[in-house]
Parts: sequence; C-alpha cells; structure tokens
Amino acid sequence: KNEVEQSPQNLTAQEGEFITINCSYSVGISALHWLQQHPGGGIVSLFMLSSGKKKHGRLIATINIQEKHSSLHITASHPRDSAVYICAVRESGGGADGLTFGKGTHLIIQP
Amino acid sequence: GAGVSQSPRYKVAKRGQDVALRCDPISGHVSLFWYQQALGQGPEFLTYFQNEAQLDKSGLPSDRFFAERPEGSVSTLKIQRTQQEDSAVYLCASSLGGPVGNSPLHFGNGTRLTVT
Repeated sequence: KNEVEQSPQNLTAQEGEFITINCSYSVGISALHWLQQHPGGGIVSLFMLSSGKKKHGRLIATINIQEKHSSLHITASHPRDSAVYICAVRESGGGADGLTFGKGTHLIIQP
Repeated sequence: GAGVSQSPRYKVAKRGQDVALRCDPISGHVSLFWYQQALGQGPEFLTYFQNEAQLDKSGLPSDRFFAERPEGSVSTLKIQRTQQEDSAVYLCASSLGGPVGNSPLHFGNGTRLTVT
C-alpha cells in the first residue's frame, strides 16, 4: 500500500505569506489529487495531476514523478484559505479505488 | 442536483442501533465511493461502485457494514449494531468515469455519525 506523508501537519501564517504544503508517496502513481476540506467536513477537489504543474488562481500544484513528491503552493494567502489540505494518490495499475489519502495539513491564515 | 448530496448531515445513534446513510451522487456519474474519516485523520476507503456493481468492498471494516447502489444512482451505507468505534464522518464521492479514467472526484459534505 502506498504511504502518503504530508508536511507540515499544522501551519499558521500571516495573511499575504507564500504557503507551501508538501506531499510524498512511496509507490508509483497514475494521479495525485489535492483536496481542500473546510470545518464541517465538505471536501473540494483543487487539482488532479499526473505530471508537471497546474495553476488555478492563487493556487499552484506541482509534481515530480521521479522523486515521488508534490507540492501545493498558495500565493498571497488569505484567511479564507484556512482549511485542511489533503493529498491523495491513485496507484499505477491500482484496483477499483486505489486512492490513498494523507492525513492532511491544517492551515490557519491569520489576518 | 449541482453536487453530491449526503443525508443526514448528523446522526447520533445509541450503541447497538442500526443506521443508514444516504448518498445522492451527481447525475450521470458512474463511479461512487464511500470513505470513513476519523477525527484528525485522512479519509479511508470503504467501498466502490461502478454503476450498480460493487466492484470493491475491501475497505469495509466488518460484516456490520453494508453498502448498496441498486439502480446505479443513489447509494446507501448501512451499519448494523453500531459500536463506538464507528463514530466518524462518512464521506461519499462520485466521478464521471470508471477507475481507469482518473476523473476528478466530487465529494459530499459527509455524515457525521456519533455512537453513544
């Protein structure tokens, strides 16, 4: 089973700071998801990527397949970015589900 | 509807009681997943449906857990004789394609189950 590790587990920053959240995994994957979970449980899919880099607004996700590592960056962070960010991977040739989740990074952006 | 809908939003059950959790996926989505998320943890896979077929139930923790999707749309996760360790948020997700397609997942808001 893939081991998905996220760092940091908790991050508190000031509004405007550049944020980086890291995800590493142990087994080759076909896709990696970055998810955002707000208090109350709702999860929103931010990115799904299998190579390179994707950008959406102030969010940037990168993945390095060789190093089995992905990063999620937030530029010009804002208090509304406060949430838990979860990395999830789908293994190459995985079964019907194949999704393994990290434990999440709890981000707090202070005004 | 516009998104994945789960009900009830909150459920409190006495130990030993049976519960049923409902998931309405996005219309037309083939794949449906159930996950269990304990406090402070990432979601853990429970089971997967492709249309009405339950293709993977390897994550169900015991035979007290049962899921169905009889018509390939709405799904119900049933937990019999609930135990305190069943307390968690149960998340449902759907995606347009089958497992090979790696389609984006759309999550519901979850059902928070508390067993007292």
